[in-house]
Amino acid sequence: ETGVTQTPRHLVMGMTNKKSLKCEQHLGHNAMYWYKQSAKKPLELMFVYSLEERVENNSVPSRFSPECPNSSHLFLHLHTLQPEDSALYLCASSQDPAGASGANVLTFGAGSRLTVL
Amino acid sequence: ELKVEQNPLFLSMQEGKNYTIYCNYSTTSDRLYWYRQDPGKSLESLFVLLSNGAVKQEGRLMASLDTKARLSTLHITAAVHDLSATYFCAVDAPSAGNMLTFGGGTRLMVKP
Repeated sequence: ETGVTQTPRHLVMGMTNKKSLKCEQHLGHNAMYWYKQSAKKPLELMFVYSLEERVENNSVPSRFSPECPNSSHLFLHLHTLQPEDSALYLCASSQDPAGASGANVLTFGAGSRLTVL
Repeated sequence: ELKVEQNPLFLSMQEGKNYTIYCNYSTTSDRLYWYRQDPGKSLESLFVLLSNGAVKQEGRLMASLDTKARLSTLHITAAVHDLSATYFCAVDAPSAGNMLTFGGGTRLMVKP
């Protein structure tokens, strides 16, 4: 496989469930991101990991818990979500988040469409 | 806080016409990116603009950057139906920790 792969593509869960979203990148990048895309708001950065360390949290509610076990894998653990958390969750990766090379081009996965009932 | 605003948010145009999408941002930066998103699909990188006056062109799309005005434009020439998508600009800036901040997107529909 190439690029950034996200699973599952679609997820329906109740407010009391616990589930996880998975992201895997095959590009050799050293940073990974979680973004939330909902109908009424711009893309929101949730979490950033650079070299497996979290560098950005952006005040995301604790019901979202990220995990980055290595530079190729990123998880988003979900528990006791609310209906307003229903959205498309996009994972992305990049080679140089600090911009030292002059550009920080993100490669996105296809997203996980989450519906919270 | 870095803010990125696009306009228009929605654009319906006829094939063959020209139009421009605007992207304004609120803080000093010389790194601006344009992405395309087709319905139900992910974002695809279109252009990377890294200096004042930078211009990039790909087919019927041309992007430019004016860092003094904090403005980027995406110009569409002789639109075709295949260009129908949502276009996002994004900026990264030292004041925002060099993390990308996206505009709200412009949904483009090109009618035959």
